[in-house]
Amino acid sequence: KQEVTQIPAALSVPEGENLVLNCSFTDSAIYNLQWFRQDPGKGLTSLLLIQSSQREQTSGRLNASLDKSSGRSTLYIAASQPGDSATYLCAVSQRRAGNMLTFGGGTRLMVKP
Amino acid sequence: KAGVTQTPRYLIKTRGQQVTLSCSPISGHRSVSWYQQTPGQGLQFLFEYFSETQRNKGNFPGRFSGRQFSNSRSEMNVSTLELGDSALYLCASSNQGGSGANVLTFGAGSRLTVL
Repeated sequence: KQEVTQIPAALSVPEGENLVLNCSFTDSAIYNLQWFRQDPGKGLTSLLLIQSSQREQTSGRLNASLDKSSGRSTLYIAASQPGDSATYLCAVSQRRAGNMLTFGGGTRLMVKP
Repeated sequence: KAGVTQTPRYLIKTRGQQVTLSCSPISGHRSVSWYQQTPGQGLQFLFEYFSETQRNKGNFPGRFSGRQFSNSRSEMNVSTLELGDSALYLCASSNQGGSGANVLTFGAGSRLTVL
């Protein structure tokens, strides 16, 4: 059974810092990995999707990497801003499992002005 | 374009009652997935529908059921509500039905409180 873990559970940084969020998964036979952002009381917003054959994806100040063999992914946020404060979730999918995602517990990020 | 719409946004029920939640996906999206989010268990997959067929099902009791209509709108139903069913229920739609997951667009959720 796939298990996804995110460390740390919470993180507080001053504005402007570069930061790294970690995600690990137990079964390396994934189809892809996605990073989401969730604001309090709201739904999820997809940030980046990395196919299992890819090593990284970039969108603006966000860069996500994937090391499938070691079961790890990182989300790098450059020059953090208070508007980045949210919970960040990673999720993996398996082949032939459609849109069934297994989520990590999330990292709650606070960026202080 | 309009996003994923979930109704109702908030509802309160009592134990033993049943509830139906609705999800309207983005126009053209044929896949609708449902997730339950609780503080203790996090986000857990309930089921996915694609072209009116249940494609995958999570590890939830039979009290949780769903369906999808020909216009891709989906409903989920929970019967004989228990206190532990209190959660944020999220719906997500996707325009593809490939082997693995695609980019999902989530709705704002329906927050169910069971008293």
